[in-house]
Amino acid sequence: GAVVSQHPSRVICKSGTSVKIECRSLDFQATTMFWYRQFPKQSLMLMATSNEGSKATYEQGVEKDKFLINHASLTLSTLTVTSAHPEDSSFYICSASYTLGPHNEQFFGPGTRLTVL
Amino acid sequence: AQSVTQLGSHVSVSEGALVLLRCNYSSSVPPYLFWYVQYPNQGLQLLLKYTSAATLVKGINGFEAEFKKSETSFHLTKPSAHMSDAAEYFCAVRSSGGYQKVTFGTGTKLQVIP
Repeated sequence: GAVVSQHPSRVICKSGTSVKIECRSLDFQATTMFWYRQFPKQSLMLMATSNEGSKATYEQGVEKDKFLINHASLTLSTLTVTSAHPEDSSFYICSASYTLGPHNEQFFGPGTRLTVL
Repeated sequence: AQSVTQLGSHVSVSEGALVLLRCNYSSSVPPYLFWYVQYPNQGLQLLLKYTSAATLVKGINGFEAEFKKSETSFHLTKPSAHMSDAAEYFCAVRSSGGYQKVTFGTGTKLQVIP
């Protein structure tokens, strides 16, 4: 149980275009979803936290107008990279949790490799 | 504020040897601590977690970690390394309060030499 999927797994796009990445919790309802970015040989950096039906909370230094996050349902969150540039190339990972309780766990998706040409 | 420090970005061990990956944490409130493993081009898989119960935590694939408050450490160990253990390992900390933000360490790449 507690499976999180991401689509697509890989995407290559031209500079200036927008890319949408989907994150789905397949067998549970995720009250909270998280989006991380991981540059090569580096750790995961939290970009934003989203709760179903409300605006995402972005970490300091993350441009909310560039990285649009929508959490329209309890099983789906999307990250749209708008007007992508080569420096946005990265590995994007989402995670989902199903409760705000102290012992809840985040379940991670398999990641999406974005390459901007 | 919370943070984790992983000592050693690369660790090499021989197959069958002890694996020891170091993690020290900093947290203003009692922490929850995690170890994750990441294989190339994949997401993270939880190995084990400490949530204020037993200080010695056993996880999957034969890994375990011990929470030592006096040393602010949560080192990951495995008695005998397998080739399949070669991967990137991340230590992470989360506060025990309601806010769920998880802070990750910089990772340790484990190489297993046959």
